[in-house]
Amino acid sequence: GAGVSQSPSNKVTEKGKDVELRCDPISGHTALYWYRQSLGQGLEFLIYFQGNSAPDKSGLPSDRFSAERTGGSVSTLTIQRTQQEDSAVYLCASSLSGGASYEQYFGPGTRLTVT
Amino acid sequence: SQQGEEDPQALSIQEGENATMNCSYKTSINNLQWYRQNSGRGLVHLILIRSNEREKHSGRLRVTLDTSKKSSSLLITASRAADTASYFCATDEGGNNNDMRFGAGTRLTVKP
Repeated sequence: GAGVSQSPSNKVTEKGKDVELRCDPISGHTALYWYRQSLGQGLEFLIYFQGNSAPDKSGLPSDRFSAERTGGSVSTLTIQRTQQEDSAVYLCASSLSGGASYEQYFGPGTRLTVT
Repeated sequence: SQQGEEDPQALSIQEGENATMNCSYKTSINNLQWYRQNSGRGLVHLILIRSNEREKHSGRLRVTLDTSKKSSSLLITASRAADTASYFCATDEGGNNNDMRFGAGTRLTVKP
C-alpha cells in the first residue's frame, strides 16, 4: 500500500489482558514513531525508531509498554496488563528519516478501549 | 513531555475570516511543522519551516517562526468550513535529537 497502515483499527480488551498493536510503515522510511492520543487531547510521544539504532523509549509511560521493529519495517507496540487509563487512540507515523526535517505520514490509528 | 504548546485551545470563526493559531516551544529546534487533524481523518502534514526561515507560504496558509521568542504562528486566510479541524505544531529538540514532540493543538471551528 501507499500509506501507513495499522491494525487492528479497533480493539476492545478487558483490564489486565495484553494487547499488540501493529504498524506497517511506508516502504523505505527509516524512521517510525508511536504516539498516543486521548480523546480531545494532543499527541503523546511514546517511542521512536531510526534505522538500526537503539530506539528512543523515553516516552513510554510505564514498563508495561514495549515496542519492537523487526527488519527495519513492521513495528509492534505491546501493552501488558492493560489498565483503563490505557484507553486511547494509538497512532503510528513513518518518515524518510528522523526529526522535524521530514514530513511524518500517519496511519489511521488503533482505537483501544480497556473495559 | 510536550515541546510545543498551541494557543488558543479553541477558536471559532465565520467562513471567510482569517484564523491565527500560535505555538510556543521550549528548546532550540532545527525545524517546526504544522499538522491538521480532521474528525474521522488522520493527521496530515501542512507545512514545514526551518529554523533559519522566518516565513513560509503554502496556498492559504502562512507560517511564521520567531526563534528568539521560541514561537510560531499559523495563519489560514479566507477560511472555509472544510478548514474545521485540530491544528498541531510539532518540533524536534534541536541538535542531533530527532524526537518529535507535538503540542496539545488548537481546535478550529469555521462556521458556514
